[in-house]
Amino acid sequence: AQKVTQAQTEISVVEKEDVTLDCVYETRDTTYYLFWYKQPPSGELVFLIRRNSFDEQNEISGRYSWNFQKSTSSFNFTITASQVVDSAVYFCALSEAGNQGGKLIFGQGTELSVKP
Amino acid sequence: KAGVTQTPRYLIKTRGQQVTLSCSPISGHRSVSWYQQTPGQGLQFLFEYFSETQRNKGNFPGRFSGRQFSNSRSEMNVSTLELGDSALYLCASSPPQGEKLFFGSGTQLSVL
Repeated sequence: AQKVTQAQTEISVVEKEDVTLDCVYETRDTTYYLFWYKQPPSGELVFLIRRNSFDEQNEISGRYSWNFQKSTSSFNFTITASQVVDSAVYFCALSEAGNQGGKLIFGQGTELSVKP
Repeated sequence: KAGVTQTPRYLIKTRGQQVTLSCSPISGHRSVSWYQQTPGQGLQFLFEYFSETQRNKGNFPGRFSGRQFSNSRSEMNVSTLELGDSALYLCASSPPQGEKLFFGSGTQLSVL
């Protein structure tokens, strides 16, 4: 069965601190996709990254970076020098290749609060 | 390009009633998916439509149904509402390559 676990329910940091959001997944498929989405108070989920199971290269985009490790089934997300605007709920999600894109299995989300 | 549009934004219903939610995908997107978000269960997949056909379905009772029209707009219907149906219902569309989902702002349904 597929499952995504985000053990951190809430994280609070002070602006400019680095913060890492953890994501652990379970799947029997060898081909799958991992995602991170951000949900600000407006409710709309904003896409951050998609990674396929064959690409274990870490990725950096500005202050955001992602560490994908198949050996530990983890796909962690780090925000460097956090800002107040980063406050939101962050979701990690899994999609198996056979699902043709529309079905994501989401973790419970991590609520990040960045204080000035 | 306009994003995914969901109407209405807020809805209040009473138990036993039925409700219809609407979703207009991004132009050119043929896949529309629906999700239910609650504090207890988190984000759960309801169903996906592609070219007017249901392509995938989550584990929800038959009271939850949907459809897609030829212009890719989609509706979701919940009959015989229960208190536990109170949730944020999110719609998402994806492009032909299906690389990612684009979400709307959701419809907040309250069942009293």
